[in-house]
Amino acid sequence: GAVVSQHPSWVICKSGTSVKIECRSLDFQATTMFWYRQFPKQSLMLMATSNEGSKATYEQGVEKDKFLINHASLTLSTLTVTSAHPEDSSFYICSASPSIVASTDTQYFGPGTRLTVL
Amino acid sequence: DAKTTQPPSMDCAEGRAANLPCNHSTISGNEYVYWYRQIHSQGPQYIIHGLKNNETNEMASLIITEDRKSSTLILPHATLRDTAVYYCIVRVVWAGNMLTFGGGTRLMVKP
Repeated sequence: GAVVSQHPSWVICKSGTSVKIECRSLDFQATTMFWYRQFPKQSLMLMATSNEGSKATYEQGVEKDKFLINHASLTLSTLTVTSAHPEDSSFYICSASPSIVASTDTQYFGPGTRLTVL
Repeated sequence: DAKTTQPPSMDCAEGRAANLPCNHSTISGNEYVYWYRQIHSQGPQYIIHGLKNNETNEMASLIITEDRKSSTLILPHATLRDTAVYYCIVRVVWAGNMLTFGGGTRLMVKP
């Protein structure tokens, strides 16, 4: 299957600082990538849809000024958590699909980034 | 996208087949059934998907009922490494359509 990587795999930061998380599609190009967040013992919740060359689309309740998304190329999307606070501590996961053909469109996920804000 | 209903947890003996059910009674004709699993502290892993025919790959088999209102994921010979949360998701497939995750089934494979 297609490979999606994330960096860093974990990060610890102080409250008030900003953290950038990278999501890369290693062996395919993706015009669209997705960012999810997962709190302990909960399911994944979609945060935003990242579109190459245009603005991201955020889900209801997700602050776009706090979670900045940049999809600068067909293989890279970044999520920046600005002025992070302890409640932003979570597992952040990205996904992308190598196919634009409907019948074979399959999302592949990165390994996730564990963010801990002290 | 249609909602799905899965049992919250299941146990399976190592080496035996694990049969994970999923109800999706409101599925539409253009919605596919997808299965993913998430091992603790990792990103979800794609397993299999189908529209109406049964599907099989190196990981699992997917059995979809004729009315498409339910499906079963079968892991033919479960191992301890198959212990994970399994998510059944139905979605209209087009480029850019995201996945909506429900609660999933926590499968515990026991020695």
